[in-house]
Amino acid sequence: AQTVTQSQPEMSVQEAETVTLSCTYDTSESNYYLFWYKQPPSRQMILVIRQEAYKQQNATENRFSVNFQKAAKSFSLKISDSQLGDTAMYFCAFMKYFGNEKLTFGTGTRLTIIP
Amino acid sequence: NAGVTQTPKFQVLKTGQSMTLQCAQDMNHNSMYWYRQDPGMGLRLIYYSASEGTTDKGEVPNGYNVSRLNKREFSLRLESAAPSQTSVYFCASSVVGTQNEQYFGPGTRLTVT
Repeated sequence: AQTVTQSQPEMSVQEAETVTLSCTYDTSESNYYLFWYKQPPSRQMILVIRQEAYKQQNATENRFSVNFQKAAKSFSLKISDSQLGDTAMYFCAFMKYFGNEKLTFGTGTRLTIIP
Repeated sequence: NAGVTQTPKFQVLKTGQSMTLQCAQDMNHNSMYWYRQDPGMGLRLIYYSASEGTTDKGEVPNGYNVSRLNKREFSLRLESAAPSQTSVYFCASSVVGTQNEQYFGPGTRLTVT
């Protein structure tokens, strides 16, 4: 079974600064996907970024980027030029390549952007 | 497209009552999922359906039943609600093989007293 660990329950940062959210995972699989989901106060789950394990290049989406370290089983999310709208819960999630697309989530990090 | 819709948005039940949470998607997705979200525990998979007519247990299936009525609809039933089932329930759907993104509904907040 896979496990996903987010060791930072809460974080806060000043607007326009850069923040990094940590995620580690444990698996015996060699092929898998990793995701970061955002959940704002509206409760809607929104996909922020995904990473395929076979790709060495780190994924980026505008102000969001990841640092994927496969050997260390680490998958951190960096948010650059943080904005008030980035205030949300952030969940790291794991999916096996051939696992019926079932997601295993971490416990989340509550991020607050301070004006 | 409405995406993934869930009804109701909020519900209060007494212990022992039953109810069905409804989920529908209009994206022609094959797979559908039910998760529950509890404080400090992230989202946990209750049941999933890889295709119409098939369902399988997830991590926390006890106390729940599901029905994949057709390709669009996937319902979650609580036969005899318990306070431990107080949670926020999310339905999600995805297409197999398209980068595996799951699309989530807005959630149902259920309180069992």
